[in-house]
Amino acid sequence: SAVISQKPSRDICQRGTSLTIQCQVDSQVTMMFWYRQQPGQSLTLIATANQGSEATYESGFVIDKFPISRPNLTFSTLTVSNLSPEDSSIYLCSVWASGVGQYFGAGTRLSVL
Amino acid sequence: AQKVTQAQTEISVVEKEDVTLDCVYETRDTTYYLFWYKQPPSGELVFLIRRNSFDEQNEISGRYSWNFQKSTSSFNFTITASQVVDSAVYFCALSESQAGTALIFGKGTTLSVSS
Repeated sequence: SAVISQKPSRDICQRGTSLTIQCQVDSQVTMMFWYRQQPGQSLTLIATANQGSEATYESGFVIDKFPISRPNLTFSTLTVSNLSPEDSSIYLCSVWASGVGQYFGAGTRLSVL
Repeated sequence: AQKVTQAQTEISVVEKEDVTLDCVYETRDTTYYLFWYKQPPSGELVFLIRRNSFDEQNEISGRYSWNFQKSTSSFNFTITASQVVDSAVYFCALSESQAGTALIFGKGTTLSVSS
């Protein structure tokens, strides 16, 4: 399995500000994934982050709103920019542990006022 | 198109009852992976099982069991003798083509177990 540390676990932010979420993995992984879970909903993939290249975004998600960094094989950040109440969600990072499955961080609960 | 359907939105049972959570998937790939996750009120996603498309053997882990049937594109999850701690949202998910790709999630089934 993979141990994923995600920070912060929760935050309350003001409209118009930004929040950066960090994801640290205890082993090197090629791809990291960022998901959003809106209240009462399922998980939706935001983007896939490969080390050394730009993230690949899913339809409906853009880099200006959700910039992602992937400086090395164990770390990634997701920034949610220009926050609005509609951005209130749980944000989760995940990695694929070879031969086992896909593991998720504990998530970041974001509330936007 | 790839799709995961969990038709049961909410299920309520009394402790010690058996309960089955249904999952139906759609994919054009011959190689794919199916997953079940548990999301308790704390919000974290707990990995329960992964099954690849070439392994149709049913799996049992304690009170949990999974029935994978390619003929009906289903991957159902049964909890035997349910307990209050089983109360959570359960997600079925699909990963296509090969290991290492992103997951497509069903909408989830909320299981409530009362004492």
